[in-house]
Amino acid sequence: GAGVSQTPSNKVTEKGKYVELRCDPISGHTALYWYRQSLGQGPEFLIYFQGTGAADDSGLPNDRFFAVRPEGSVSTLKIQRTERGDSAVYLCASSLAGVYNSPLHFGNGTRLTVT
Amino acid sequence: DQQVKQNSPSLSVQEGRISILNCDYTNSMFDYFLWYKKYPAEGPTFLISISSIKDKNEDGRFTVFLNKSAKHLSLHIVPSQPGDSAVYFCAAIRASNTGKLIFGQGTTLQVKP
Repeated sequence: GAGVSQTPSNKVTEKGKYVELRCDPISGHTALYWYRQSLGQGPEFLIYFQGTGAADDSGLPNDRFFAVRPEGSVSTLKIQRTERGDSAVYLCASSLAGVYNSPLHFGNGTRLTVT
Repeated sequence: DQQVKQNSPSLSVQEGRISILNCDYTNSMFDYFLWYKKYPAEGPTFLISISSIKDKNEDGRFTVFLNKSAKHLSLHIVPSQPGDSAVYFCAAIRASNTGKLIFGQGTTLQVKP
């Protein structure tokens, strides 16, 4: 079946604007994760959903960042009042269950550039 | 505070030889470790994992070794192939944070034909 799909693949926005990044997980995967990868670094955890609820949002850097997964499938990461430091590749992943029982399947990411 | 460290940014090996990628961690609460491979413009792909109750796990050409006392793990690729050229990330997790993988900075492996 299809893998994790992320749209858009690239997003350029001006400082101060609002952006939404979308993630379509693999069908049937209950767990969904958002990570952020800056140049030369490994992926950095943002938030983890189990079903519709955020099981761990400790990685969200501040209240400008918010994510939802209203029906337990598609998720949207929302960033308000974007700053140049938000520029990064935003990765979404899904898994059948938690990390211990099934590996994370990552999408190709959305490259966000804030000018 | 970098809890998972990959101190070698890059590694170059000849095709057919062994590639050894290293990873160190500081948090003794980590109990599960994974390796991911990443090609340019693609998301990371799961390679192999190991539980802290084991010291070795093997899958084809890939073997992961865990030394808990040294807080060190390594990934061995034998024999290395040009298609293995990619960025390799190690990652760790602990039972109380079941969704939160902590990644290292990555090591770029180049396998020369």
